[in-house]
Amino acid sequence: GQNIDQPTEMTATEGAIVQINCTYQTSGFNGLFWYQQHAGEAPTFLSYNVLDGLEEKGRFSSFLSRSKGYSYLLLKELQMKDSASYLCAEVDSNYQLIWGAGTKLIIKP
Amino acid sequence: DAMVIQNPRYQVTQFGKPVTLSCSQTLNHNVMYWYQQKSSQAPKLLFHYYDKDFNNEADTPDNFQSRRPNTSFCFLDIRSPGLGDAAMYLCATSRGVEGPGEKLFFGSGTQLSVL
Repeated sequence: GQNIDQPTEMTATEGAIVQINCTYQTSGFNGLFWYQQHAGEAPTFLSYNVLDGLEEKGRFSSFLSRSKGYSYLLLKELQMKDSASYLCAEVDSNYQLIWGAGTKLIIKP
Repeated sequence: DAMVIQNPRYQVTQFGKPVTLSCSQTLNHNVMYWYQQKSSQAPKLLFHYYDKDFNNEADTPDNFQSRRPNTSFCFLDIRSPGLGDAAMYLCATSRGVEGPGEKLFFGSGTQLSVL
């Protein structure tokens, strides 16, 4: 999506920490989703942020700064199964989802 | 388990030959969506239904049509597939009552090839 910007690909090591960034347009903002999508499979919900700050769910955390139009997904203690694409999606003023193209995360042993 | 089911997982069709993709859901959700996703690209919303109310995205080609005969089923019809229509087609549902933070439940997708 033209309003969402996230890196195309990232590489990290098993057991490490990785941060995937996402920037979006700030007008008419109604929240931001992160979804995980394994190759050839459907996206699955990870998180939804609408207020500033960090929300933690086990090994995964999501952060939002509304003033900066910025979010990140933080993955700790990386496992091989975390190799997937991570899609950022903004909820706009019409409650429509504006999707990013996703960040392909490659985990190496 | 309640879920969203898409059939078939892989579909091959010929250039110009009509094809129908199917989606069913056991979640009893009000809203059903069809997305097109090409490799390494963002999902693109084609249309969605809120109950029987059909909502077509402005840039969805006329070549794409949809039917929702009841709450559980939704179909995507591609009347004359072109090579550019080869993609993953994702069906998704949502409850339709939770506001902007409502998450989507996706089916496993149908990968369409056009020969």
